[in-house]
Amino acid sequence: GNSVTQMEGPVTLSEEAFLTINCTYTATGYPSLFWYVQYPGEGLQLLLKATKADDKGSNKGFEATYRKETTSFHLEKGSVQVSDSAVYFCALKSSASKIIFGSGTRLSIRP
Amino acid sequence: DAGITQSPRHKVTETGTPVTLRCHQTENHRYMYWYRQDPGHGLRLIHYSYGVKDTDKGEVSDGYSVSRSKTEDFLLTLESATSSQTSVYFCAIRGDYGGGTEAFFGQGTRLTVV
Repeated sequence: GNSVTQMEGPVTLSEEAFLTINCTYTATGYPSLFWYVQYPGEGLQLLLKATKADDKGSNKGFEATYRKETTSFHLEKGSVQVSDSAVYFCALKSSASKIIFGSGTRLSIRP
Repeated sequence: DAGITQSPRHKVTETGTPVTLRCHQTENHRYMYWYRQDPGHGLRLIHYSYGVKDTDKGEVSDGYSVSRSKTEDFLLTLESATSSQTSVYFCAIRGDYGGGTEAFFGQGTRLTVV
């Protein structure tokens, strides 16, 4: 079946550090891939997406590249800010239109 | 903000009682989803709908049922609530505009079963 595995948190970084959150997936066919972010007390909101192999999604300085050969969609940001502190979820949409999420990674940024 | 409303936002109920959570949308989107969020598990899909009266099970559907009698409403029912169903429940909606169409989430319902 379809599944998403992402690195466990929490991840704590200093402001301006480089961020990587790993995400790998298992799926049949060609899923669409997403990163969602959840700020405290809120629902999830889309951060970025990619719909086919080698596509790069980007938004607010975050980037992720759809790597079919390694079934990965790692999230990166060159210089994090305190305001990036949140929980990040990797997700895929299967051919059956189910949306499956990873377990989430809590990110904390120290000033 | 996407037009999606969950009700109630908070509920405390007793073990063994039935509970219904409502998700209402004003976007006329085809797809609607119910998830539960628990520490260490992320979001797990309970049920989803791909049209009026068309629903399918997700990863953790045992103990839950759903109904969608009109496009705008998707109801999640716990037939007989148990303490293991204490969780935060999120509804999501998604249009039918291709594989990359994003899902929009409600604000969540915090359910406590005592």
